[in-house]
Amino acid sequence: GAGVSQTPSNKVTEKGKYVELRCDPISGHTALYWYRQSLGQGPEFLIYFQGTGAADDSGLPNDRFFAVRPEGSVSTLKIQRTERGDSAVYLCASQPPGAGTGELFFGEGSRLTVL
Amino acid sequence: AQKITQTQPGMFVQEKEAVTLDCTYDTSDPSYGLFWYKQPSSGEMIFLIYQGSYDQQNATEGRYSLNFQKARKSANLVISASQLGDSAMYFCAMREPASGGSYIPTFGRGTSLIVHP
Repeated sequence: GAGVSQTPSNKVTEKGKYVELRCDPISGHTALYWYRQSLGQGPEFLIYFQGTGAADDSGLPNDRFFAVRPEGSVSTLKIQRTERGDSAVYLCASQPPGAGTGELFFGEGSRLTVL
Repeated sequence: AQKITQTQPGMFVQEKEAVTLDCTYDTSDPSYGLFWYKQPSSGEMIFLIYQGSYDQQNATEGRYSLNFQKARKSANLVISASQLGDSAMYFCAMREPASGGSYIPTFGRGTSLIVHP
């Protein structure tokens, strides 16, 4: 369909490895958000893009986490030197331009497991 | 301090009955928005309903209504005529102005709803 697409849906990696998670937002949506959801918790904000630039990256936990959106569409969340505590579902959401309610359109998430 | 508090980790309801999911919020900004999302086992967050802080009337969307009590900072979700497909996690969220002019929705910990036949 034409929803938010996230790949991979599942990723298992070893501690210390590098991981990339991809988000393809709904066409025409200018804003893009990354959230992290640990087991039994609500989504926790990581970073927000408006177009190509990171408008707010205050939720990134440390400098091992980085995200890009070079052409204002697809975004990649990059995690270096993964740790077991990084295991979670990483959710991407996009938002259309204009005022509106500000509702977010979410993908199904990428489940990351760090062994 | 928690921005969004959902005190019910789990709720059970009989099919066709109504259920209320609680949400309280904390903000000092007069301009904010409140959302409810549903997260079924597939993992995708689905938008249900929105209430703006300046909206005079409680929001309604089909079987969903939001009981907005501004003075109490409460935004409870009411689901009428529950269906088996309503079984899911439900998250309350608030959008308020953040530093730099952005509006970042903050989510609560969620309530698990199970609808019994």
